[in-house]
Amino acid sequence: AQSVTQLDSHVSVSEGTPVLLRCNYSSSYSPSLFWYVQHPNKGLQLLLKYTSAATLVKGINGFEAEFKKSETSFHLTKPSAHMSDAAEYFCVVTTVMNTGFQKLVFGTGTRLLVSP
Amino acid sequence: DTEVTQTPKHLVMGMTNKKSLKCEQHMGHRAMYWYKQKAKKPPELMFVYSYEKLSINESVPSRFSPECPNSSLLNLHLHALQPEDSALYLCASSQEQGVLDTQYFGPGTRLTVL
Repeated sequence: AQSVTQLDSHVSVSEGTPVLLRCNYSSSYSPSLFWYVQHPNKGLQLLLKYTSAATLVKGINGFEAEFKKSETSFHLTKPSAHMSDAAEYFCVVTTVMNTGFQKLVFGTGTRLLVSP
Repeated sequence: DTEVTQTPKHLVMGMTNKKSLKCEQHMGHRAMYWYKQKAKKPPELMFVYSYEKLSINESVPSRFSPECPNSSLLNLHLHALQPEDSALYLCASSQEQGVLDTQYFGPGTRLTVL
């Protein structure tokens, strides 16, 4: 079964410093991987997705992620954090159910805290 | 436009009330989803509709009743809920229900059951 592990429940950075949110995946086939962001009391917004094209994926708001098959990782990075980046981030993998339909499998989330 | 709208934003109901949550999308997507999210947890899938037919029910209690009147609209009817059902209810949609299809989420309805 497909799964993702977010290695940090909380990450704290200062404004203007780089962001690294770590995600490892487990998949028996070439996975589709996503990063979603959720600001407080809001829905989920898609940051970026990987679907076996380029291994370096660029998303919105300056975020990017690199798919590394050898390390089974899909870490999310940003060169310089903004206060508005403070939110919960979910790494997500798709799995195919017995019915042939896809289902999202969420990591437990990483809360990004940004200090001035 | 990748917008999914949900109404109401907030809902407070008693355990004997009947209420409904509404979700709408105008992207031509044929798959729509309901998720439940408790505080500090990831979303949990409840139901999936594909081409207006229920394709997945994740063993959700019958006090939650989904309905898909047309390809743009998804409802969740609530009846005799329990306080532990208080959560953020998220709707999502995708072009189809394939592995490569991205799900777009609405802002959610914050439900409180008294």
